[in-house]
Amino acid sequence: GENVEQHPSTLSVQEGDSAVIKCTYSDSASNYFPWYKQELGKRPQLIIDIRSNVGEKKDQRIAVTLNKTAKHFSLHITETQPEDSAVYFCAASWRDSNYQLIWGAGTKLIIKP
Amino acid sequence: GAVVSQHPSRVICKSGTSVKIECRSLDFQATTMFWYRQFPKQSLMLMATSNEGSKATYEQGVEKDKFLINHASLTLSTLTVTSAHPEDSSFYICSATQSMNTEAFFGQGTRLTVV
Repeated sequence: GENVEQHPSTLSVQEGDSAVIKCTYSDSASNYFPWYKQELGKRPQLIIDIRSNVGEKKDQRIAVTLNKTAKHFSLHITETQPEDSAVYFCAASWRDSNYQLIWGAGTKLIIKP
Repeated sequence: GAVVSQHPSRVICKSGTSVKIECRSLDFQATTMFWYRQFPKQSLMLMATSNEGSKATYEQGVEKDKFLINHASLTLSTLTVTSAHPEDSSFYICSATQSMNTEAFFGQGTRLTVV
């Protein structure tokens, strides 16, 4: 079945620096790749998503890039701020399961003041 | 975005009792809802996929007789943890989509503690 691997599991960056989280997927037919942010004890919330017909999408300080050939996609956060501290999850849609989302293991992002 | 409401947010129950958790889509019809379990510092583990008007599809290793799922309407799915034990203590969270291959909206989650 579909497998999504996410790295790193923990990422610590200085406030103001950039953070990059990477995910790889196994199903070449996957065509939807969302990123979710989950603060402690709260629900995951979508921060950005990308479909397979584009290679990059940007929303202010957040961007996602997709490499379909290599089957990986990355989340980029620039000018990090303390409120960016959270757990980030990537996901990929799995064609053989009616495109339900398969989740990465998550990355705990720590922004150091 | 669309709103998914989950209740209760926290529940403490005695071992051997049952607990029901509700998941409602407030402003859209969700033909499919998903139930997840999340252990501390871990990812979302899909337990089952709930389809309106039909039986839920359970993931491997999830006991369907222990985790009863009912999806009686297009806006409500319930998860009942039957004969709860301390090892069932966890964070349970539901999600719903307006259509497949689109954004998933999550409920607030339910922190279940079995004592």
